[in-house]
Amino acid sequence: DVQLLESGGGLVQPGGSLRLSCAASGFTFSSYAMTWVRQAPGKGLEWVSTISGGSTYYADSVKGRFTISRDNSKNTLYLQMNSLRAEDTAVYHCVKGGWGTPFDYWGQGTLVTVSS
Amino acid sequence: QAVVTQEPSLTVSPGGTVTLTCGSNTGAVTSGHYPYWFQQKPGQAPRTLIYDTSNKHSWTPARFSGSLLGGKATLTLSGAQPEDEAEYYCLLSYNGVCVFGGGTKLTVL
Repeated sequence: DVQLLESGGGLVQPGGSLRLSCAASGFTFSSYAMTWVRQAPGKGLEWVSTISGGSTYYADSVKGRFTISRDNSKNTLYLQMNSLRAEDTAVYHCVKGGWGTPFDYWGQGTLVTVSS
Repeated sequence: QAVVTQEPSLTVSPGGTVTLTCGSNTGAVTSGHYPYWFQQKPGQAPRTLIYDTSNKHSWTPARFSGSLLGGKATLTLSGAQPEDEAEYYCLLSYNGVCVFGGGTKLTVL
């Protein structure tokens, strides 16, 4: 079975940094694009970033502050988040798929709270 | 940035049919936007129902179908069940950027 397990969320002060991880299993991780999607409390879904092959894509709202990466030897997806703002507060979901491969499985998400 | 529009809320009777739409402020939605539809129930992660306009995953109930109509992507639910009450989101792709719609809260009543 495909499993996506996010970790690394927590409380961070404005301007701080956090790195999220997504441990993947049940599929050939290196063969698929991977994506981060977030959802602020009580709000809708927002696409954050996709990594596909050697290419990365970002929403304007996070460009220059967030970096998506992956370690195929560890079957793990990452999201390095710097210069965090209150509006980055959300549950961050790891999603299998993206450019070239359809979105299918979602992780349960990890909560990031940016507050002083 | 592109804006993707959905009906804020819709109601359908049990056993009835309802169509949700997904539009774009940049013009007609086409297959080149690779329209997606996701279902999210309270307290749960979203679930992918439809990809690339009309393709279903193995877990997608047969009563859901996707298409393009009148310049929009559509999700049609035929024979609504109580368990279909949820928030539905569409997603469109624009040259390396993805944009979600604001979601449609579907009530089965």
